Amino acid sequence: DTEVTQTPKHLVMGMTNKKSLKCEQHMGHRAMYWYKQKAKKPPELMFVYSYEKLSINESVPSRFSPECPNSSLLNLHLHALQPEDSALYLCASSQLGGGSGELFFGEGSRLTVL
Amino acid sequence: DAKTTQPNSMESNEEEPVHLPCNHSTISGTDYIHWYRQLPSQGPEYVIHGLTSNVNNRMASLAIAEDRKSSTLILHRATLRDAAVYYCILKGRGSTLGRLYFGRGTQLTVWP
Repeated sequence: DTEVTQTPKHLVMGMTNKKSLKCEQHMGHRAMYWYKQKAKKPPELMFVYSYEKLSINESVPSRFSPECPNSSLLNLHLHALQPEDSALYLCASSQLGGGSGELFFGEGSRLTVL
Repeated sequence: DAKTTQPNSMESNEEEPVHLPCNHSTISGTDYIHWYRQLPSQGPEYVIHGLTSNVNNRMASLAIAEDRKSSTLILHRATLRDAAVYYCILKGRGSTLGRLYFGRGTQLTVWP
């Protein structure tokens, strides 16, 4: 199984809502990532988890709250978002160590904030 | 992370070879050269990577210049399914975390 599964595929939320994005992988990868991609732009790294601990936060606003409950799951909790946060949110996973490993990406969750 | 420069867009006809260039003049000796592509409405997918020598796999070939300041991704026979944004990314060998920083990439259009 070389898949990264993201749910939901589409999400519409108001600025006062609380919602979560979910990501799952069963490849035994110990590194997991959240990326944000605006239309016609490259993906931008948000967070990196290694061994279920947050290793990198690329200065992401606190209205985005990541969580890694176990080695297979990665969540992104969303609260009080702004319309400009509308984007495709991509999850990825990889083995740890070295420069040669590849990242496996999910298909993304497309978020619209009204 | 060292920066890469790619053309914004390229075009090809179906069943013709495609050479996608990437400049990385500030590459360090321990940086791997990775290529990913992103098809419409999908997440990025790994294509190929190399360090110093040319590499081949079932998807593509990677030609790396002798001074490593540039590389070329070669699709031997383009198909309509190869229409995508192609990203050339440098990844440090000493990097424990596999994070990738994407540049703007090259939008490849394939004509039937």
